[in-house]
Amino acid sequence: QSVLTQPPSVSGAPGQRVTISCTGSSSNIGAGYEVHWYQQLPGTAPKLLIYVNSNRPSGVPDRFSGSKSGTSASLVITGLQAEDEADYYCQSYDSSLSDSRVFGTGTKVTVL
Amino acid sequence: QVTLRESGPALVKPTQTLTLTCTFSGFSLSTSAMCVSWIRQPPGKALEWLARIDWEDDKYYSTSLKTRLTISKDTSKNQVVLTMTNMDPVDTATYYCARDDTVRGRGFDPWGQGTLVTVSS
Repeated sequence: QSVLTQPPSVSGAPGQRVTISCTGSSSNIGAGYEVHWYQQLPGTAPKLLIYVNSNRPSGVPDRFSGSKSGTSASLVITGLQAEDEADYYCQSYDSSLSDSRVFGTGTKVTVL
Repeated sequence: QVTLRESGPALVKPTQTLTLTCTFSGFSLSTSAMCVSWIRQPPGKALEWLARIDWEDDKYYSTSLKTRLTISKDTSKNQVVLTMTNMDPVDTATYYCARDDTVRGRGFDPWGQGTLVTVSS
């Protein structure tokens, strides 16, 4: 029951820039709730990549950046690398679901 | 260092009740602002949040699954237990527990390695 919509896939050559969108509504992202992003490498558990819209945890390369505007958020990978091939999920909260945590539909990033 | 590990049966039959345990270290669920959430991921599909328990023993559930879920904690053992009743093949998924650091503004961090649960007769 994903209420946040992401493109199923994006791709780019090494060194390129890719953007993943996360579209919500007035009851989640548009209500002012923060957005977090997770990276899930093949066969592994998700890992926090960006927290509170645009903050990187220690150890996350600065080629990953996040932003939020209105009812949407974006994750940008600048200088794409082979090890960035993974699934990416946005996550926020939804007031229509009693402030439940909600995830995006997920985006597969392929490095060409 | 904060770590979490899920444990439970790999196979359950339809209509049975699933019981999963999350054993964690590096933090205490009696500390203010600490929470643990359960999240699942069917094979090849997206993540789905299931339930959360916080340091005050308040419990929150996914609205679509709340009638089937129960979450509890044993602070002395650093464990959180999730039960899901009336299991169905569509509940086949990898089940993760994660420290829910929302109160401090950090989302789910870190996650356990996950445990795959298959529902089949």
